[in-house]
Amino acid sequence: SQKIEQNSEALNIQEGKTATLTCNYTNYSPAYLQWYRQDPGRGPVFLLLIRENEKEKRKERLKVTFDTTLKQSLFHITASQPADSATYLCALDFSNNAGNMLTFGGGTRLMVKP
Amino acid sequence: NAGVTQTPKFRILKIGQSMTLQCTQDMNHNYMYWYRQDPGMGLKLIYYSVGAGITDKGEVPNGYNVSRSTTEDFPLRLELAAPSQTSVYFCATMGGAGYYGYTFGSGTRLTVV
Repeated sequence: SQKIEQNSEALNIQEGKTATLTCNYTNYSPAYLQWYRQDPGRGPVFLLLIRENEKEKRKERLKVTFDTTLKQSLFHITASQPADSATYLCALDFSNNAGNMLTFGGGTRLMVKP
Repeated sequence: NAGVTQTPKFRILKIGQSMTLQCTQDMNHNYMYWYRQDPGMGLKLIYYSVGAGITDKGEVPNGYNVSRSTTEDFPLRLELAAPSQTSVYFCATMGGAGYYGYTFGSGTRLTVV
């Protein structure tokens, strides 16, 4: 079955540094991959989508890479701030049908210390 | 423009009771989804709908039912609640087929005792 793996251990970094989160997946390679941010007690919020033919996508301080050979995506936050502290989820559509159903990883908690 | 609204925010049910979790969206999105999230786990898809009158099962549909009579509403029904259904439930929408992100509601935290 399809599986998405994110580091379940929290990532602690100092303010101003670059945070790098990893998302690995098995088997079938999806057409696109998404990243979400989730704060405690809230629903996930969509951040970025990257397609299989795109190596890299940027949005302000965020950068996502997508390596379909390694079956891996990296999510970078540059010049990190305490307000970036949250859980970050990656998600892929393995369904190969019209439902566009996302499978989510377990998320990685990021803690940015001032 | 409220986006995706879920009610109630919290609920405690006794084993064997039933309830309906409400989800309403005002974005005119065709695609709607119900996920559950257990502590430390990823979201798991329960049911989804690609438009009014069309629903289908996701990864963990047992113990749940849905209906989609309008574009705006996608209620999730729990029949005969069990402790295993203790979770946080999220409703989500998507604007169209292809490369769009989901918009999530704020969730319903359900405890079955």
